[in-house]
Amino acid sequence: AQKITQTQPGMFVQEKEAVTLDCTYDTSDPSYGLFWYKQPSSGEMIFLIYQGSYDQQNATEGRYSLNFQKARKSANLVISASQLGDSAMYFCAMREGRRGSARQLTFGSGTQLTVLP
Amino acid sequence: EAQVTQNPRYLITVTGKKLTVTCSQNMNHEYMSWYRQDPGLGLRQIYYSMNVEVTDKGDVPEGYKVSRKEKRNFPLILESPSPNQTSLYFCASSFGGRAYTGELFFGEGSRLTVL
Repeated sequence: AQKITQTQPGMFVQEKEAVTLDCTYDTSDPSYGLFWYKQPSSGEMIFLIYQGSYDQQNATEGRYSLNFQKARKSANLVISASQLGDSAMYFCAMREGRRGSARQLTFGSGTQLTVLP
Repeated sequence: EAQVTQNPRYLITVTGKKLTVTCSQNMNHEYMSWYRQDPGLGLRQIYYSMNVEVTDKGDVPEGYKVSRKEKRNFPLILESPSPNQTSLYFCASSFGGRAYTGELFFGEGSRLTVL
């Protein structure tokens, strides 16, 4: 089973509108972290936001917020007031805290977001 | 400036010619890892290291070797590259506490083409 599922290969959004990028995850570990990374066309991985499994409130970082629904195992990224510079590939990822595990980051396949002027 | 540095950033090589991609971090991180990115597959882990002299296989280790002789460096070695190793490679590091689930810091990526 996929540990991280991103069901939207591509998304379009009008500039200044909000957009939600979907992410569902699968783990039996009670301790885990969920991340979103942005990858612009230049290729680097830019960290956007982090949510810990024990965090009570949804994470926010500027125009980014993470809609964390633990029971549904979803961690959707919400970008408010989209800008042209938000056009990029977005990856959802999970890091599990299981004792003895690799602490590796497992990535989804990504969502290509295009912001239209 | 805290950073993860990879070299080379771009490389075109031929099948069978050994190459090494270097990775160095200046944040005193225990944990380091290599990923490859291929279209439609996201990033997949190749090898990781929890600390000096401690390395282990990730999801796609075939055709790669690593070493961790110093805390700051984690080179990726392709002994006999093949065209299916053409990919974008990322090195990443973080603190490595047993319960740590926090952010990984990524290098800028190394785009490798094997002809």
